[in-house]
Amino acid sequence: KAGVTQTPRYLIKTRGQQVTLSCSPISGHRSVSWYQQTPGQGLQFLFEYFSETQRNKGNFPGRFSGRQFSNSRSEMNVSTLELGDSALYLCASSLGGTPSSGNTIYFGEGSWLTVV
Amino acid sequence: ILNVEQSPQSLHVQEGDSTNFTCSFPSSNFYALHWYRWETAKSPEALFVMTLNGDEKKKGRISATLNTKEGYSYLYIKGSQPEDSATYLCAFGKAGTASKLTFGTGTRLQVTL
Repeated sequence: KAGVTQTPRYLIKTRGQQVTLSCSPISGHRSVSWYQQTPGQGLQFLFEYFSETQRNKGNFPGRFSGRQFSNSRSEMNVSTLELGDSALYLCASSLGGTPSSGNTIYFGEGSWLTVV
Repeated sequence: ILNVEQSPQSLHVQEGDSTNFTCSFPSSNFYALHWYRWETAKSPEALFVMTLNGDEKKKGRISATLNTKEGYSYLYIKGSQPEDSATYLCAFGKAGTASKLTFGTGTRLQVTL
């Protein structure tokens, strides 16, 4: 069974540009979440999508957005990139169900974004 | 703001030693506590999801306990091996938004021969 797949793995962007990251969840999983890790910080929750609807949102500016498609694949977009957006972006998937389902949440290997 | 704390920040043990780490989290609105093992350049590996007070989980040489009333969980590794070297993360899931995990900053374990 394939795990959570993220593309691209590595990318370099210039300040002011925008970027789109993609995530394919484990087959059958309907919940997809995104997390950011910057140097010295723990994993910070960005948002979660379930059945194409944003179900939870973290404390990030509106430049960070996401969406989920009918096949549960998800994309996140960061517009007007800033140097501080350089980070590892992790996608995670789970079966979903009710928000308090307690299911195991599986992570991908992440996309490393460098903003120069 | 939810606060999840892990201690120690890092740990260096010899092969064969047993070790344990602590994760403390808010005791109110608890739903689940997740443990992950994260090796460099790999994806975080799910170890346990714990939801009941007094829960104990075991996977090989690794086990975990949970106390939701006082807000802590312990992760134990028995007979550490070099391949156990990794960062161990705990994450708190709050009731009602349990898929929105709040992570601790992790305990970095290094096991040497």
